[in-house]
Parts: sequence; C-alpha cells; structure tokens
Amino acid sequence: QSALTQPPSASGSPGQSVTISCTGTSSDVGGYNYVSWYQQHPGKAPKLMIYEVSKRPSGVPDRFSGSKSGNTASLTVSGLQAEDEADYYCSSYAGSNNFDVFGTGTKVTVL
Amino acid sequence: QLQLQESGPGLVKPSETLSLTCTVSGGSINSSSYYWGWIRQPPGKGLEWIGNIYYRGSTYYNPSLKSRVTISVDTSKNQFSLNLSSVTAADTAVYYCARRLMEMSTNDYWGQGTLVTVSS
Repeated sequence: QSALTQPPSASGSPGQSVTISCTGTSSDVGGYNYVSWYQQHPGKAPKLMIYEVSKRPSGVPDRFSGSKSGNTASLTVSGLQAEDEADYYCSSYAGSNNFDVFGTGTKVTVL
Repeated sequence: QLQLQESGPGLVKPSETLSLTCTVSGGSINSSSYYWGWIRQPPGKGLEWIGNIYYRGSTYYNPSLKSRVTISVDTSKNQFSLNLSSVTAADTAVYYCARRLMEMSTNDYWGQGTLVTVSS
C-alpha cells in the first residue's frame, strides 16, 4: 500500500487561506469516508484536526475544514495564524488489513 | 484526561528485538469503543502505521511489517506492548502509541513518542 500523495509545502500570509490536497486511490481515500488530518509541530506528537473527512474534534477551531472528491481529500485552513505553521498529514482507512495509510506530509509556512 | 506514555529502551542492536510498552492512564483499556495501536516516524520523514490491538486481543498489522510485529495487551496493567523483531537501521524512528476510535477510524489520543535508535 503506497503512501497518500501530498504537496511537500504550502504557504500563506496571516489571514489568508491555504488548501492542502491528499490523493489516494479507490482502495483508500475514494473507497471510504474515513479520512483524517493531523497537525504536527516540531518535536511534538500529531494532533487530530479532522476526522471522517470533514468533522472537527472538540476544541479544534472552525478555521480548519475538510472535504473530499473522488480519490482526493483536502484540508483548508482559513484565516491563517502563526500557530498554524506546522506539518500536516492526511490518513485514510484502507480496509481491515490496512487501518491507516498516511500521506507524505505537507509543511505549512505562515509568511 | 486520557494520557498515553511510551516506555522502553532508546537503543537497540541490529538483528535484535525492539520492545516498547504504552501505559494508559485516565481511562480504561477495556473498552469496546477503541483499538490501541502503534505508529512510527523515522527522523525527518512521514508517519507509518504499525498495527492495532483490541482489548480482547484481536490484532491488525501493517502487511509490510506483519512478519516481524507482535502487539499484545495486558488489561490488568492497562498497558499494551509492541515487539518488532530482526531490526535494522531502517527501523530507527520515533514510536508513538495511540488510541483509535473504532467507529470513526481515527486516532484521537497520542503518546508523546519515544525515539528508538537501531545501532551497534
């Protein structure tokens, strides 16, 4: 099972929006509505930001939103803030033999 | 507040077995709502799913690691463990334990991670 494809980097100025894509196949992203997004600051554990494509856990700002079309999922961060600068990873369920296929990761820079 | 804490040796020799334990506090591992699992991240690289276990003992492993991985659970101690055999330098990584919500298929609580280096 190959990793999901994400752009290596994305950037935006404070207050702007940035969208990160996550491309898989019909065996993972396209086959299930179980896409999650994680935020990871340097030296820290990943933090769940989005689950089931577009749902936010309690405490995650509504500036973070998720969507999916076909085999590609997306994370949008609106109203960028300095603390949003981090690495972001998508993941998808891919069946009982592959609970988590992760994306390659995207480094978001706030200019 | 649920907390997960990894523990184990930070240095393992090539060809030996890497062993880590995750201690869960602030909640019970005996729940039908969760899986408990391991995810790793080589230095400077992305995340890789290793496997999950249900409190009754059912296990699910990454096919690429399946021949070398064993995950077990000790409900009396509220712990679960990872054994990875025949390690090489490629197994050097930060190892995270995490709780997985069964219904939402997502990892909502993570340990802080522990770096394991494979070197002689």
